[in-house]
Amino acid sequence: AQRVTQVQPTGSSQWGEEVTLDCSYETSEYFYRIFWYRQLFSGEMVFLIYQPSFDTQNQRSGRYSVVFQKSFKSISLVISASQPEDSGTYFCALSELRNNNAPRFGAGTKLSVKP
Amino acid sequence: EAAVTQSPRSKVAVTGGKVTLSCHQTNNHDYMYWYRQDTGHGLRLIHYSYVADSTEKGDIPDGYKASRPSQENFSLILELASLSQTAVYFCASSGPGLGGSQNTLYFGAGTRLSVL
Repeated sequence: AQRVTQVQPTGSSQWGEEVTLDCSYETSEYFYRIFWYRQLFSGEMVFLIYQPSFDTQNQRSGRYSVVFQKSFKSISLVISASQPEDSGTYFCALSELRNNNAPRFGAGTKLSVKP
Repeated sequence: EAAVTQSPRSKVAVTGGKVTLSCHQTNNHDYMYWYRQDTGHGLRLIHYSYVADSTEKGDIPDGYKASRPSQENFSLILELASLSQTAVYFCASSGPGLGGSQNTLYFGAGTRLSVL
């Protein structure tokens, strides 16, 4: 059963715009983490940011931040001032203690940022 | 800098043949993972390991075996390769624990496998 859902298969923005990518997940755990990764066109996977379930504060790292809605089991990645170099596929992943923290990924959202 | 090296980078295999994908990490990480990527499915977990000489099944283990002979090395074995196993395979490693960046995955560059 799909545990991590990314309903937007594709997304687009213009240079300088703020982009929001959505992710929802299923878990009965109290402790878990949500990670965001970006896959470059080369195939390389790059870590962006993560949100621990026990932290009510939305995490931020550079131009990346998240909007964590724990009660709705959803999390959005927000990219501020998007640039063409941000184009790629973005994946969220759920890591739960009961599964030895082995992360499960969503299907990804392919983002295109136009100049 | 954390490093995960996969070999080969690409491979063409025949149906029914045996394929071994290798992964080596120099991160001193306890956890290692094998994922496959197909268009529209994201990354799906095949096998993982949190200690040498032990492996665990992921979500799609059928048709795959895994081997972790040492902390640094983790192999994925397709005993009888099938057409449906054509995909890109990623190996990753991560540290233990709950906090900080220790559970961040460090990925290899991927292996493109084509089964004909």
